[in-house]
Amino acid sequence: DAKTTQPPSMDCAEGRAANLPCNHSTISGNEYVYWYRQIHSQGPQYIIHGLKNNETNEMASLIITEDRKSSTLILPHATLRDTAVYYCIVARNRDDKIIFGKGTRLHILP
Amino acid sequence: EAQVTQNPRYLITVTGKKLTVTCSQNMNHEYMSWYRQDPGLGLRQIYYSMNVEVTDKGDVPEGYKVSRKEKRNFPLILESPSPNQTSLYFCASSLWSGRAREQFFGPGTRLTVL
Repeated sequence: DAKTTQPPSMDCAEGRAANLPCNHSTISGNEYVYWYRQIHSQGPQYIIHGLKNNETNEMASLIITEDRKSSTLILPHATLRDTAVYYCIVARNRDDKIIFGKGTRLHILP
Repeated sequence: EAQVTQNPRYLITVTGKKLTVTCSQNMNHEYMSWYRQDPGLGLRQIYYSMNVEVTDKGDVPEGYKVSRKEKRNFPLILESPSPNQTSLYFCASSLWSGRAREQFFGPGTRLTVL
């Protein structure tokens, strides 16, 4: 699995868009970008994934650069309930395991 | 409601006393997995199962056993627990191994071994 680099922590004001970056400069052509989040001591929650096109669902948007070496997870209107650790994971879709790094601790400020 | 359940949620035990943490999913998922989470070490995979009667080791399998006799259940067994197995444990499942990334996680089991 390719390694990812995320900032250890970020702050965002409530109601604003939270933009969480992830660098994955060694990503391979068949590797996807996945995002999960973990609210304090709860089980991680799948958010979104993509290969090369931008993706959007009810939770978030995923923007992947054209060279696929980095991506940004966007929470369009952050709320206090979005305070969590966000993990960016890069892996092939057929792999049997995923590797969670340290993630980004996102604080939503009232 | 689609969910992964784990029991017990909290457990304090003593060294050497065998225990089982149960995991059950109601989504007819083929793939199931166990993780442990420790401060500073993140989430690490213990064992996984691609389907009934098919299990394999993850990154930290020592001291653990699993079985997959039914599709919905994937118990984690600690035959002789030791203090270094004190941790927060998560069970997860996904539709099939090809989509192993889109995993649903259980609420966690906090285990303390004295």
